Order: sequence, then structure tokens, then C-alpha cells
Amino acid sequence: EPEVTQTPSHQVTQMGQEVILRCVPISNHLYFYWYRQILGQKVEFLVSFYNNEISEKSEIFDDQFSVERPDGSNFTLKIRSTKLEDSAMYFCASRDSAKGEQYFGPGTRLTVT
Amino acid sequence: GESVGLHLPTLSVQEGDNSIINCAYSNSASDYFIWYKQESGKGPQFIIDIRSNMDKRQGQRVTVLLNKTVKHLSLQIAATQPGDSAVYFCAENGPDYKLSFGAGTTVTVRA
Repeated sequence: EPEVTQTPSHQVTQMGQEVILRCVPISNHLYFYWYRQILGQKVEFLVSFYNNEISEKSEIFDDQFSVERPDGSNFTLKIRSTKLEDSAMYFCASRDSAKGEQYFGPGTRLTVT
Repeated sequence: GESVGLHLPTLSVQEGDNSIINCAYSNSASDYFIWYKQESGKGPQFIIDIRSNMDKRQGQRVTVLLNKTVKHLSLQIAATQPGDSAVYFCAENGPDYKLSFGAGTTVTVRA
């Protein structure tokens, strides 16, 4: 069964550093999402992406965040200057155009020290 | 503010018994809801969904009930198994299908 993959599984970085989290959505999907989950809390929407542009973003997704689909398979989330409070699990999700069901990847655990 | 929430943060259930997990929502315009299961160290996994034109939907060992009058939905798991131990989230599907998640209920199955 097709699945969303994410790399790395765990990223440790120092405050102020840039990180790039990578996702490979399911191949025929057209809509892409990033969510985050701070330890012990609920999953929060960050951004949605369709047709090579952001379609919606949350208040969390400020100027430090950016997304890109650099080629036909990868979908990346960049944090330019990480803060301690960016420590969380980051989930990528994708869906096709026909159904609302979103498929989630296994997540990247980001630890900012 | 948060529009989707769960009544109880934890639920302990005996193996073989039925589980009921509840969720309340505040946006009466919401028309599509999903239940997700999240096991430790994994991403949310789709369980079942329901649209607002339905009151009930059944899957394999799971049933979702929607009460639009009181803005409440529930997930029922029949004959709960150890593999059902996880955190369960209800989510509301908003514009462009972005998901708004509730806080989650941790289900622990006792052998």
C-alpha cells in the first residue's frame, strides 16, 4: 500500500539554525499538508499546499517557515532560524483530489537545543 | 479558538469489552468529521469518517455516531483488543480539507 514517508525520523539542531524536513507524499496525490504536534498536545495544522502554492496557513506558520515542492516527489518544510518552542513532531500529509482522507507520514521529531 | 474537543483524556477498558470515545464540536457549520488513531511514535491513522448528512456510519469493528443537535460525535470500538491501545483524535475537516484536531483520548486496553 502506498504511504507517505518522511526523513529524517529525528533531527536535533541548535537554536538559530536552519532545518529542512523532508516528505515524499503518495505519488498521485495533489494536496499536501504539514502539521505539528508538541509533546503531549494535539496535532496542529501548519500549512496546506496545492498547485505549487500555499493555499492556507495557520498563525504558527510565520515568516520563519517555508514550504517547497522542489521536484515531482518531494515536499519540504524549512524553518530558517529554529527556536526552542519549535521542538515537536512534524507530520506531513497528502490526499488526492477525489477524497478528503489525508494520509499521514510517520513524522519527524525535531529537537531544538 | 479550538472548535473540536474530547470529553475525557483517558479511557481504560477490559479486553473484549466495547469502547466509547466522545467528542464535542462547537462549529455548527462543520460538515465532515474524521476519527484518527495514533500509536506511539507514529503518525495519525485514518479510522473512519462521517459527513453531516449522516447520523451513523459503520466500519470494521468501529461505528461513528453524529448528533448534530448537541454537536457531539462518538467512536465505538467493538470487542476492544490490545492493538486498539492508542490515542484517538476526532478531527473536523475545514476549508481545503485542513484538519482541526481535538486533544485526544488515550485508550488503554487491560488484558
